[in-house]
Amino acid sequence: GEDVEQSLFLSVREGDSSVINCTYTDSSSTYLYWYKQEPGAGLQLLTYIFSNMDMKQDQRLTVLLNKKDKHLSLRIADTQTGDSAIYFCAESMRSGNTGKLIFGQGTTLQVKP
Amino acid sequence: ETGVTQSPTHLIKTRGQQVTLRCSSQSGHNTVSWYQQALGQGPQFIFQYYREEENGRGNFPPRFSGLQFPNYSSELNVNALELDDSALYLCASSLEQGATGELFFGEGSRLTVL
Repeated sequence: GEDVEQSLFLSVREGDSSVINCTYTDSSSTYLYWYKQEPGAGLQLLTYIFSNMDMKQDQRLTVLLNKKDKHLSLRIADTQTGDSAIYFCAESMRSGNTGKLIFGQGTTLQVKP
Repeated sequence: ETGVTQSPTHLIKTRGQQVTLRCSSQSGHNTVSWYQQALGQGPQFIFQYYREEENGRGNFPPRFSGLQFPNYSSELNVNALELDDSALYLCASSLEQGATGELFFGEGSRLTVL
């Protein structure tokens, strides 16, 4: 089935690292994504990782992929108050010629000053 | 390079009415997908359009329909609105059908059904 699971809430102090976790079900997913959504706004693509990679680093963001366990994580170093938002994990699914994303329910990150 | 733009940003309708939401895809992108995001949930795939034809559909009833125009812009139409249709409707564009390397989302149209 199609299912992406995330924990709903994470609270950290400014300057600490944040780790948001996600599990997915489709082992044939070719890409896995992290999107950020601020209140009242659309989705901003933060980063994505190909399924044949274990890790991807982009400035303060580190994505780790454990394909065996179907586990994806997003680490934000030196978390700032501006990082407060909802973070969505998504896996790609391809059916014929259609590519679509399956999203988790989102993790609300609260950063305390 | 213009991003994905959607209109209107907010609208209120009553049950039973019809609504049309519009999306202009990012320059150079020929594929448009629509997603519904209910409050507190992740987005759910409605359908995708490629070269003016529906190219895949999620678990949504036929009263959700769409169009894509030669300039790759798109419309989402919802007939016989129900209260549960209240949501943020997101449009996303990409370079080609089935490509999931990068999907670029608009800011969304927030629909409230009373």
